[in-house]
Amino acid sequence: QSVLTQPPSVSGAPGQRVTISCTGSSSNIGAGYDVHWYQQLPGTAPKLLIYGNSNRPSGVPDRFSGSKSGTSASLAITGLQAEDEADYYCQSYDSSPVFGGGTKLTVL
Amino acid sequence: QLQLQESGSGLVKPSQTLSLTCAVSGGSISSGGYSWSWIRQPPGKGLEWIGYIYHSGSTYYNPSLKSRVTISVDRSKNQFSLKLSSVTAADTAVYYCARVAAAWFDPWGQGTLVTVSS
Repeated sequence: QSVLTQPPSVSGAPGQRVTISCTGSSSNIGAGYDVHWYQQLPGTAPKLLIYGNSNRPSGVPDRFSGSKSGTSASLAITGLQAEDEADYYCQSYDSSPVFGGGTKLTVL
Repeated sequence: QLQLQESGSGLVKPSQTLSLTCAVSGGSISSGGYSWSWIRQPPGKGLEWIGYIYHSGSTYYNPSLKSRVTISVDRSKNQFSLKLSSVTAADTAVYYCARVAAAWFDPWGQGTLVTVSS
């Protein structure tokens, strides 16, 4: 069981907006540690998507955005595209780096 | 552009030691004050952080693996390594190496599958 809780799956139609939650506790996200997000396309390595709660690395479309509040964080994807179908992981810190269990995004 | 590439044995017998190397190209492993890390992903499961080696050469390991893990760096070869002892089937996973940028991991290597089986 992961320290950070994510929904196992989410889905949406092309063009729609979806959000993926990442719920932690007072010892990790709630303690002020930043949340980072990774996208793992099928059969590939994870790729940094959002760092420091809401920052996008160069090359990541602005359709992807992140936010954090209290003991939780969220990843939002707008204008959903077929190529967004992937697993998404949140990561924070709780005495050591910790990951969420991952969320599989299906584009209908 | 910085690239990382894992290599090592893809099949390890139970109770033996898993050994992997991460070759860094496109930049020096000694520059920028970065730390370097190993992360693994069992088949069909999520990500698990294994440990860091800091720029200083000191290390920090996942408490659940600490007794079995050693991470080292060879700056002359621009690479760092992972050793995991006394492996069992539960250690079967894709192993990734990654640079630690502040508190996140970027970039990642492509990963290498290690299977523990007799």
